[in-house]
Amino acid sequence: SQKIEQNSEALNIQEGKTATLTCNYTNYSPAYLQWYRQDPGRGPVFLLLIRENEKEKRKERLKVTFDTTLKQSLFHITASQPADSATYLCALDDSGGGADGLTFGKGTHLIIQP
Amino acid sequence: DAMVIQNPRYQVTQFGKPVTLSCSQTLNHNVMYWYQQKSSQAPKLLFHYYDKDFNNEADTPDNFQSRRPNTSFCFLDIRSPGLGDAAMYLCATSRKKFADTQYFGPGTRLTVL
Repeated sequence: SQKIEQNSEALNIQEGKTATLTCNYTNYSPAYLQWYRQDPGRGPVFLLLIRENEKEKRKERLKVTFDTTLKQSLFHITASQPADSATYLCALDDSGGGADGLTFGKGTHLIIQP
Repeated sequence: DAMVIQNPRYQVTQFGKPVTLSCSQTLNHNVMYWYQQKSSQAPKLLFHYYDKDFNNEADTPDNFQSRRPNTSFCFLDIRSPGLGDAAMYLCATSRKKFADTQYFGPGTRLTVL
């Protein structure tokens, strides 16, 4: 069956360090992958989209990689700040390109310690 | 500035009593989605509309229905809520169906007594 796994339920990082979050998937062939941020009691907020033919995408302090051979995406936040503390969700299209919505992982809860 | 609006933010209903959640958007997007998210779980897609075309996920219970009377509004009807339907319900929109950002509303927290 199709599965999306995100590493650990909580990740504690010291302020100023780089936080690296992992998204692994099985039995998918996604055409693209997205990362969202979700704060408690709020809806997810889009951060980055990366396509299957792209290796890396950057936006300010954020970087995403996409390895379709390993079936893995890594999400990096450099120079992390306490305000970066949130849950980060990985999402894949699950329709082989037919586009019927996203399938989300459970998310990784990131805590940036001052 | 609000782009995807959900009302109410908190809804309490009784077991078996029908409830309707609403979503509106000011983005004029073609696609509107409804997701269910339980505590510490992933958002789960229930269904979506591409314009007026309704697309139901295979595992969405019949208890959940949706209406989209116009581009701006979409409703989620739960005909007979059970205790297991208590969750956050998220509405989202996108301009295109494929490889596009989804814009989420703040969600409606549903409690079933």
